[in-house]
Amino acid sequence: SQKIEQNSEALNIQEGKTATLTCNYTNYSPAYLQWYRQDPGRGPVFLLLIRENEKEKRKERLKVTFDTTLKQSLFHITASQPADSATYLCALDPFTSGTYKYIFGTGTRLKVLA
Amino acid sequence: DTGVSQNPRHKITKRGQNVTFRCDPISEHNRLYWYRQTLGQGPEFLTYFQNEAQLEKSRLLSDRFSAERPKGSFSTLEIQRTEQGDSAMYLCASSLVLEGETQYFGPGTRLLVL
Repeated sequence: SQKIEQNSEALNIQEGKTATLTCNYTNYSPAYLQWYRQDPGRGPVFLLLIRENEKEKRKERLKVTFDTTLKQSLFHITASQPADSATYLCALDPFTSGTYKYIFGTGTRLKVLA
Repeated sequence: DTGVSQNPRHKITKRGQNVTFRCDPISEHNRLYWYRQTLGQGPEFLTYFQNEAQLEKSRLLSDRFSAERPKGSFSTLEIQRTEQGDSAMYLCASSLVLEGETQYFGPGTRLLVL
């Protein structure tokens, strides 16, 4: 069956360090993968999109990699700050059926300690 | 504020009652999505519209749920004969085809069924 997995355990890191979050998927062939940030009680906010033919994408302190062989995406936040504390969601479009029925992971909660 | 808006933000109802939620997308966006999110989970796809046409509906969406987007602008999601299991955050998102698949989420409507 199709599945997306994100580390459900919270990730605690020290301010200034690099946070690395993982998104693994099975039985999908997505055309692209997205990462969102969600704060408690709010809707997700789009961060980055990476396409299947891109290995890496960067935006300011954020970096996303996409390995279609491993079926994995890594999301990095460099020089992390307490304000980066939030839940981070990955989302796939299982494009094989040509639909836009997005599938989200359960999210990983990140806490950056001052 | 030109973002996605949702009303009401909170709704408490008794089991068996009908509820209706409204979503106003970003004005030029032609795609509109509804998701349901429970605590500790990622958003779960319910349905999406392209303009006024409802193109995809989750099999998880029972007959008690119906969504409309009558003029391709705002959308409503109605739940009939609510059950306690319907308690969740209902999220709306919109996107513009020409911008790729960046989804802009609203703040959500939190439903509590007593």
